[in-house]
Amino acid sequence: GAVVSQHPSRVICKSGTSVKIECRSLDFQATTMFWYRQFPKKSLMLMATSNEGSKATYEQGVEKDKFLINHASLTLSTLTVTSAHPEDSSFYICSARGGQRDSTDTQYFGPGTRLTVL
Amino acid sequence: KQEVTQIPAALSVPEGENLVLNCSFTDSAIYNLQWFRQDPGKGLTSLLLIQSSQREQTSGRLNASLDKSSGRSTLYIAASQPGDSATYLCDDGGYSTLTFGKGTMLLVSP
Repeated sequence: GAVVSQHPSRVICKSGTSVKIECRSLDFQATTMFWYRQFPKKSLMLMATSNEGSKATYEQGVEKDKFLINHASLTLSTLTVTSAHPEDSSFYICSARGGQRDSTDTQYFGPGTRLTVL
Repeated sequence: KQEVTQIPAALSVPEGENLVLNCSFTDSAIYNLQWFRQDPGKGLTSLLLIQSSQREQTSGRLNASLDKSSGRSTLYIAASQPGDSATYLCDDGGYSTLTFGKGTMLLVSP
């Protein structure tokens, strides 16, 4: 199947700093990328959907100024956690999907990024 | 709004047992349903994908079925092994985004 990578896999930062997480589709063009967050012992929560070249669509309750998403190319999307605080510590997972927008094609998941804010 | 329920929330079995994990949806508009496995601190690994035109998929000791009319999917694991211990998640195969269940935490003891 298709491969999606995330970088870094793990990051520890001080409170107040910004952290950028990259999500790349390695062997297909991802017209749509999704960012999820997972709290301990909880299910995945969709944060936002981004279509290449467009502004991301954020889910209710997700601060768009806090979690900046850029999807400038068909193989790369970035999530920047701005002015991170300990409550932002979480496991962030991206997924990517090819095809047309609103396609029913399969989403392929990245391996996730563990963010710890001290 | 789609809600995905997974039962049981946790399951502990001795090695060798066959087991069934359940997933149910409030909205039966399901497209490509997936079952995933998640090991502690790791990302998701896709186990089986059932496309909208299919009713089941098999891979090794795993078999997943989908009944769209009732909004249910089951994951059957045959002859469980300690290496199967993980959290198993299903999603609703939604039209443009996915809604996940909270998962079933499986522990297979030697």
